[in-house]
Amino acid sequence: AQSVAQPEDQVNVAEGNPLTVKCTYSVSGNPYLFWYVQYPNRGLQFLLKYITGDNLVKGSYGFEAEFNKSQTSFHLKKPSALVSDSALYFCAVSSLSGGSYIPTFGRGTSLIVHP
Amino acid sequence: NAGVTQTPKFQVLKTGQSMTLQCAQDMNHEYMSWYRQDPGMGLRLIHYSVGAGITDQGEVPNGYNVSRSTTEDFPLRLLSAAPSQTSVYFCASSYSITGQMNTEAFFGQGTRLTVV
Repeated sequence: AQSVAQPEDQVNVAEGNPLTVKCTYSVSGNPYLFWYVQYPNRGLQFLLKYITGDNLVKGSYGFEAEFNKSQTSFHLKKPSALVSDSALYFCAVSSLSGGSYIPTFGRGTSLIVHP
Repeated sequence: NAGVTQTPKFQVLKTGQSMTLQCAQDMNHEYMSWYRQDPGMGLRLIHYSVGAGITDQGEVPNGYNVSRSTTEDFPLRLLSAAPSQTSVYFCASSYSITGQMNTEAFFGQGTRLTVV
């Protein structure tokens, strides 16, 4: 079975500082990893994904994530946080589990960027 | 393109009532799914479909039915609503390349359902 963990319910960061939102995963095969963002009263929006290749993945709005196979992690990062980055962030993993690639989502991490 | 469209946006039901949440996508995606989002629980998969005529259960299927008669539509039916089904429901679709889910999902804006 596959699983994904987001160990922090909430991350607080000052505007202009770097931010990290953590994600670890567990799969039996090769993972496909995703980050999504959810603004209040909206659906989830895709930020970036890792499928194969370069471990550092760049995505929308200046976000990036690093795939670390040995630590089974896929942390989301941004060099300089904006107040507008405040939202709920979800990590998701997809792998060949039980014969199909059904994604599993983490519980979400609330990012709060203070002015 | 409209993307993924969910209706209604809000609904209040009485216990025991039935209703259908509608979901339509115009991207010709094979894969569609329904999730519920509850505080502290993240997104939990209810049902999914890998193509027209094919549906399967997710993590929390009890109390819900689905059908997939066309590629575009994937309605979710609550047969007899219960207060435990109070939640925000999201429909999602994605392009599946030979069954591999290596493409991102597109989500609808959600349906906020309250069962009293």
